Amino acid sequence: EAGVAQSPRYKIIEKRQSVAFWCNPISGHATLYWYQQILGQGPKLLIQFQNNGVVDDSQLPKDRFSAERLKGVDSTLKIQPAKLEDSAVYLCASSLDGSGGATDTQYFGPGTRLTVL
Amino acid sequence: GNSVTQMEGPVTLSEEAFLTINCTYTATGYPSLFWYVQYPGEGLQLLLKATKADDKGSNKGFEATYRKETTSFHLEKGSVQVSDSAVYFCALSGRGAQKLVFGQGTRLTINP
Repeated sequence: EAGVAQSPRYKIIEKRQSVAFWCNPISGHATLYWYQQILGQGPKLLIQFQNNGVVDDSQLPKDRFSAERLKGVDSTLKIQPAKLEDSAVYLCASSLDGSGGATDTQYFGPGTRLTVL
Repeated sequence: GNSVTQMEGPVTLSEEAFLTINCTYTATGYPSLFWYVQYPGEGLQLLLKATKADDKGSNKGFEATYRKETTSFHLEKGSVQVSDSAVYFCALSGRGAQKLVFGQGTRLTINP
């Protein structure tokens, strides 16, 4: 079974530029998550989708970050304009139904490492 | 709100040593508890989990027991190997709120 795919793996941009990340979840998984992992910290949830609807975006900086999940499958996360403090690894995860039940495990992609200069 | 506190690292041990990485949590209700591992150059992988009090999660020789009375979920392994070198994250998810809340991670290095 293919895992969660993310691209690109690495991205370097100047501050005030824009950037986009792409995620393809495990086939059949209804729930998709984007996390931000700053160096030396644990991942922090940015946004959670259930199919193509947003469940939780309370920690998404909406003045510069946006995300969409068209057709309830792939997702893109965009930053515009980027700031120095956005340097981090952006992780995408998916789970079967988002119920949080005993069998509803989140599977993570390899992440995109963003460096903002 | 929900939070997770992990033992600070880095932790360095010799091969075959006993490992404990402490994890305590603050949460309302009855969360599910997880340990995730991040090997060098790889993504986060679920190591083990427990969904109710007194449950023991286990995998690859690692174990952790959900202790509600001490709000803890400490990770243990009886004899570590060089291949266990990685960053370990304790996490929880609350009932009805599926997002994971992570601790800050503990970097483990095992020397031969």
